[in-house]
Amino acid sequence: QIQLQQSGPGLVKPSQTLSLTCAISGDSVSSNSVAWNWIRQSPSGGLEWLGRTYYRSKWYNDYALSVKSRISINPDTSKNQFSLQLNSVTPEDTAVYYCTRDGGSFHFDYWGQGTLVTVSS
Amino acid sequence: DIQMTQSPSSLSASVGDRVTITCRASQSISSYLNWYQQKPGKAPKVLIYVASSLQSGVPSRFSGSGSGTDFTLTISSLQPEDFATYYCQQSYGTPPFTFGPGTTVDFK
Repeated sequence: QIQLQQSGPGLVKPSQTLSLTCAISGDSVSSNSVAWNWIRQSPSGGLEWLGRTYYRSKWYNDYALSVKSRISINPDTSKNQFSLQLNSVTPEDTAVYYCTRDGGSFHFDYWGQGTLVTVSS
Repeated sequence: DIQMTQSPSSLSASVGDRVTITCRASQSISSYLNWYQQKPGKAPKVLIYVASSLQSGVPSRFSGSGSGTDFTLTISSLQPEDFATYYCQQSYGTPPFTFGPGTTVDFK
């Protein structure tokens, strides 16, 4: 049974870095057939795909243009997890952040529990 | 980026009603269209993927259709647990993978 368990702080100060981790059980971050994604949901309810990391003989990343200059998604094979770092946050980055799996059929089939991150001083 | 729209933005229905939600893409996305259900305080859950494939464990009253730019999610007989918000999402080609704004189904 695949599970994604998120961890990280719920409060980040403006201009600082948001850091979240997603621990994977029941699958491998290094699987050659899946991709590991971060998605966020604004307080108004809109869902925004932020980026992904995946392994196909080497590691690849894709990022949304809206955050490309500030985002980094990295795998940690020793702990079977992946992380999100978003730099220079502003209150507009306040959202519920989800880690998800794309199981190879072009949809997000497993989701973490979500982490509400508030950007405020 | 491919833009997704949904209609209606909300609807009121009764148990047993047939409900239809429409999603439109700003360009052709073939059949790379997924539908999710979200209840308050929970993560979205995939119902339908690649336009018409039913995710394992999802009741058969949910169905999807369409290709190109126009897609439909149908709930054949609305059940009490189906009151939720529904999102479409495209996964065509290279990222970004964009979502529709959502359709909220509530009690009439």
